[in-house]
Amino acid sequence: DVKVTQSSRYLVKRTGEKVFLECVQDMDHENMFWYRQDPGLGLRLIYFSYDVKMKEKGDIPEGYSVSREKKERFSLILESASTNQTSMYLCASRSPGTNSPLHFGNGTRLTVT
Amino acid sequence: AQSVTQLDSQVPVFEEAPVELRCNYSSSVSVYLFWYVQYPNQGLQLLLKYLSGSTLVESINGFEAEFNKSQTSFHLRKPSVHISDTAEYFCAVGENQAGTALIFGKGTTLSVSS
Repeated sequence: DVKVTQSSRYLVKRTGEKVFLECVQDMDHENMFWYRQDPGLGLRLIYFSYDVKMKEKGDIPEGYSVSREKKERFSLILESASTNQTSMYLCASRSPGTNSPLHFGNGTRLTVT
Repeated sequence: AQSVTQLDSQVPVFEEAPVELRCNYSSSVSVYLFWYVQYPNQGLQLLLKYLSGSTLVESINGFEAEFNKSQTSFHLRKPSVHISDTAEYFCAVGENQAGTALIFGKGTTLSVSS
């Protein structure tokens, strides 16, 4: 089975801090994604990456950046955390092919105070 | 670009009753569709998928969904639900072209009570 691991289950950070959310997958997937999940809004795509050092903006990239230096690791960075970035963050990966399913991690619940 | 609409945000039902969770999509190209389930405090798990071929797809735990191209729908059904089916369900659509990502609906919370 594919395993997608998010390094932290819960994080509490202060406004203005730089925050790193880490995600690692063990199936050599080229494609990796970061989504944000909020009640009543479902999942919204922040960034995705089709290969090492490649990145594409999703629907809500403002206030975020990403890093993909190795194939198995995809990091989400909040350059200066704000309270409106308090949310559940979900990482996912999939194999190449436009119709491959996503495999999700268990999520990181970030609270910015 | 594609979009997904889940028509019900919450669906309360009694145990052993049938249920339908509705999903409509829009896209200008051919699509593939998924239903994901999220149990409390967990990530999303794939429930079932439609890629091509037979329009009726089934999961191992009794759910089924039917792809209806003319109505652009992919509704999820189960003839008899259990308490353990209580979860949030997400419909997702992807387009059969490179450079696109899955788009998710806002989710439907299924609450099964005895």
